[in-house]
Amino acid sequence: ETGVTQTPRHLVMGMTNKKSLKCEQHLGHNAMYWYKQSAKKPLELMFVYNFKEQTENNSVPSRFSPECPNSSHLFLHLHTLQPEDSALYLCASSQDGGGYAFFGQGTRLTVV
Amino acid sequence: AQSVSQHNHHVILSEAASLELGCNYSYGGTVNLFWYVQYPGQHLQLLLKYFSGDPLVKGIKGFEAEFIKSKFSFNLRKPSVQWSDTAEYFCAVNPHSGGYNKLIFGAGTRLAVHP
Repeated sequence: ETGVTQTPRHLVMGMTNKKSLKCEQHLGHNAMYWYKQSAKKPLELMFVYNFKEQTENNSVPSRFSPECPNSSHLFLHLHTLQPEDSALYLCASSQDGGGYAFFGQGTRLTVV
Repeated sequence: AQSVSQHNHHVILSEAASLELGCNYSYGGTVNLFWYVQYPGQHLQLLLKYFSGDPLVKGIKGFEAEFIKSKFSFNLRKPSVQWSDTAEYFCAVNPHSGGYNKLIFGAGTRLAVHP
């Protein structure tokens, strides 16, 4: 248990579906992240939110849409995904000032 | 381009062998440095971190890392590995540009330790 909870743990969706991934942190952190972990590829930073403001969008396609309603919650809205988007999506949080990040268990996404 | 490089993608060792995993980064200025570990089927966990002070930092499970500023390196070491150290190891950098958190990871090194 890391204090960062992601739901669902597994998700299978068709290319025309719309779904959302949820992340919640109970650590009082100010920064939250979405990462993509694919087989045989480095961990890819997707989005960073600091104090609910998006501070990083690492050239992520618009079919991925993040939302951060408050410092404790982070969503990743998915629509019209491609099979190559299948991966483990990791959420993380950290304290302001360069603190290290705590990671959730991830959501294993399969696009069919 | 700013990046984090891990030189070894796969390392295979026998138990009791010594381990050193290389990590170099290309960011200028102040950075915080980390090593994370991901055991099979588990989430990423912090192994050790460097913020300032003594460049030789000790982490959990007998791991240590040395920050060499002139070489932009933060190599991970363990004198004697165990089978339970089989995992993937990630070096990460948090540059302080703009005052925001922005953890950047290396590609990872997959370590297999044979009994």
